[in-house]
This record gives sequence, C-alpha cells and structure tokens, in this order.
Amino acid sequence: TQLLEQSPQFLSIQEGENLTVYCNSSSVFSSLQWYRQEPGEGPVLLVTVVTGGEVKKLKRLTFQFGDARKDSSLHITAAQTGDTGLYLCAGESDTGNQFYFGTGTSLTVIP
Amino acid sequence: AAGVIQSPRHLIKEKRETATLKCYPIPRHDTVYWYQQGPGQDPQFLISFYEKMQSDKGSIPDRFSAQQFSDYHSELNMSSLELGDSALYFCASSLFRDGYTFGSGTRLTVV
Repeated sequence: TQLLEQSPQFLSIQEGENLTVYCNSSSVFSSLQWYRQEPGEGPVLLVTVVTGGEVKKLKRLTFQFGDARKDSSLHITAAQTGDTGLYLCAGESDTGNQFYFGTGTSLTVIP
Repeated sequence: AAGVIQSPRHLIKEKRETATLKCYPIPRHDTVYWYQQGPGQDPQFLISFYEKMQSDKGSIPDRFSAQQFSDYHSELNMSSLELGDSALYFCASSLFRDGYTFGSGTRLTVV
C-alpha cells in the first residue's frame, strides 16, 4: 500500500512554463518534505513543511501543506532546464523514525 | 560541509553471495536510516537507528541485517543475495528528526 501518491507521474514541459506537482494521502503526517533526486544520486532536501496550510517559497518553487496535513503541492514558476529531475514528497511517520516516500514525479524541462 | 559518506559506490555480486554496505553519517547526527530504491521506484524504508539502537524497521528482508557502531557509522549486511536485490541503497542521517541528508548511494548489482 502506497501511503503517498504523487501526480503526475511524468511531466514534460517547455522552459518558461509553470507546473504543479501534487502529493496526496489519506493519512495525516506531522511533517512533509520535498526532495529532488538526480539519476544515480541521493535525494536532496528542498523543504520541510510542518503546519497545516503552511506555504513556503524557495526562489521559483512554492510549497504548500494542506490544511489537514494530508496533502501537499509543489509549484514551479518559469521552469528552467536545471529543474529537470525526480521530485519526491515524503511524509514523517508518527514515531518520527522514518519517512514514507511518495511515488515520485519525473520532470523534464525542454529548452 | 561534511556529507553522508557511503561505500562502496558500486558493487557487483553473484547470487547467493553476501555484501556489506557502509555508511558514515554527518558528524553529530543522531539517527541513521537505510533505504532501498529499485529502478524507477521510490525509496523504500529498510531500517533506522537512533543513538546506536535500532529504532524502526521497515521492509527489510530477514536475509539483511544492520547495525550502528560506537563511532555512529552503520553497516547493512546482505546475505544470500538474489537478483531482485539489485538496487540503489541509500543511507541518510538526521539530527532531532529534522530533514534527512542522503548519501550518494551504493549501486548493488546481483548477477
């Protein structure tokens, strides 16, 4: 059973376009993180959101945690080729001893 | 800044052989996590250690074991290797349940 579902699974857009990636669950998480992963490398943490309804901005990336802390979204404005990668959301377990990763969104930004 | 160090980066083993993966967490991080990521899959949690004690267990097969040593480095021991064990194995460390820092991973290929 996959706790966190991401959509879309694959996304290919032109440079300069905007996009949104969704991370949904029926479970409540105490915190949620977004990572970006390059092929053959470990995931790199982008942001942690903790409070329901929280919005965080990281340059052209905007992250939102749902009010009920069950879902999150990542919005990228004016995508660049350097944004290409696998985007993973991860929810913190109740015990805090592990994170459950989402199914991933593979983003390709075409020049 | 020091990162999470994993060794080896690549490992090729035959079926039924054993393998040992090593992880050196960021200094002063108190928790180590092991994840397995199959081709095109999201990372799956295997096991975690907090202050050298096992704190949580995920989908780790009985053929695998892990431990954390007094110097906080961790080893994942894998026996009776199967073709399906071929994957990227990531170690991550954290402090006070903050965001993970992942290592670059060990790519294990079982032939």
